[in-house]
Amino acid sequence: AQSVAQPEDQVNVAEGNPLTVKCTYSVSGNPYLFWYVQYPNRGLQFLLKYITGDNLVKGSYGFEAEFNKSQTSFHLKKPSALVSDSALYFCAARAPSGGYQKVTFGTGTKLQVIP
Amino acid sequence: DSGVTQTPKHLITATGQRVTLRCSPRSGDLSVYWYQQSLDQGLQFLIQYYNGEERAKGNILERFSAQQFPDLHSELNLSSLELGDSALYFCASSVRGAGTAEAFFGQGTRLTVV
Repeated sequence: AQSVAQPEDQVNVAEGNPLTVKCTYSVSGNPYLFWYVQYPNRGLQFLLKYITGDNLVKGSYGFEAEFNKSQTSFHLKKPSALVSDSALYFCAARAPSGGYQKVTFGTGTKLQVIP
Repeated sequence: DSGVTQTPKHLITATGQRVTLRCSPRSGDLSVYWYQQSLDQGLQFLIQYYNGEERAKGNILERFSAQQFPDLHSELNLSSLELGDSALYFCASSVRGAGTAEAFFGQGTRLTVV
């Protein structure tokens, strides 16, 4: 069975510092990988996805993620954190076969950016 | 704004009751997914509809059902409600049921069962 792990429940970072939110996955074959952000009392907002190609994927709001096949990781990064980036971040993955209903979500990482 | 609309935003009801949650997908999206988000179980896939037909079932209880109408909006019906059904229910939509497309989520309906 496929799985997604977000090993940190919470990440604290100072404003202006680089941030990393970690994600590892277990998926058969070449994975489709996604990052979403959830602000309080809001739905999940799509940030970026990796399907194939360049291992560094750029997304919304200055976020990027690096796909590392050997480490089965897809860490979310941003060079300079903003207080407004404080939110809950979800990593998700699925195998190429099937559709979006087969996406597995991680448990989420709360990002706190400290002014 | 994702383009996915869910109503109502909040719902408070008593145990044993039945409620209906409504979702309007993004314009042009044929596939609708329902998820339950609770503190202890994270985001759980419930069910998917594609162009009016049930496509996939996840961890959906027998007390729950859904349908997608000809205009592509979808409803999730929850009956014989229990305290443990209190959660945030999300609807998401995508263009197709397969392929590489991501899904876009509505703002959710927060259900509180008292």
